Amino acid sequence: GAGVSQSPSNKVTEKGKDVELRCDPISGHTALYWYRQSLGQGLEFLIYFQGNSAPDKSGLPSDRFSAERTGGSVSTLTIQRTQQEDSAVYLCASSGGSGTTHEQYFGPGTRLTVT
Amino acid sequence: GENVEQHPSTLSVQEGDSAVIKCTYSDSASNYFPWYKQELGKGPQLIIDIRSNVGEKKDQRIAVTLNKTAKHFSLHITETQPEDSAVYFCAARSSASKIIFGSGTRLSIRP
Repeated sequence: GAGVSQSPSNKVTEKGKDVELRCDPISGHTALYWYRQSLGQGLEFLIYFQGNSAPDKSGLPSDRFSAERTGGSVSTLTIQRTQQEDSAVYLCASSGGSGTTHEQYFGPGTRLTVT
Repeated sequence: GENVEQHPSTLSVQEGDSAVIKCTYSDSASNYFPWYKQELGKGPQLIIDIRSNVGEKKDQRIAVTLNKTAKHFSLHITETQPEDSAVYFCAARSSASKIIFGSGTRLSIRP
């Protein structure tokens, strides 16, 4: 079946511009996560959505970052007034299908470059 | 909140030898510990996981051990092969239900 998809795969933007990154989770998955991965680094937790509960935003690095999940499915991560340090790969993952597994399925990521 | 530490950051082993990666976690209520493999240009992929009611789990050449008392868990890869070269991440699912990752280990298999 279809996995997690993310778009765009690559995004180059000028410093100061806003960007939107999209994640389509696996159908039926109730949990959705966003992570940031800088070059050669680990996965930095950004935000976590679980069903209809209020999202856990504790990982967002600044108020320039926001995310929403519409209808419990598609999610968009928005970065306003981008800075060069925002350059990274942004990964989305979903979990929590009909079983009780916690396994996360990751998308291929969006590589963001801020010039 | 949960904090996961992973060692070593890089590891090089001879093909056929074993590789061990170790992690510690801080939240004693964490109950699920997955390991992910990330190949270049791809998202991480789950390779094995263990729950807190089990001390060891094995899947072919890969095994994971968990010591709840010490809050340690480890990944063991035996009879390493070139295709095992990748970055490996440990993670822990905290009591807040979010999954926190370690910093990763770059494993290289020498022919």
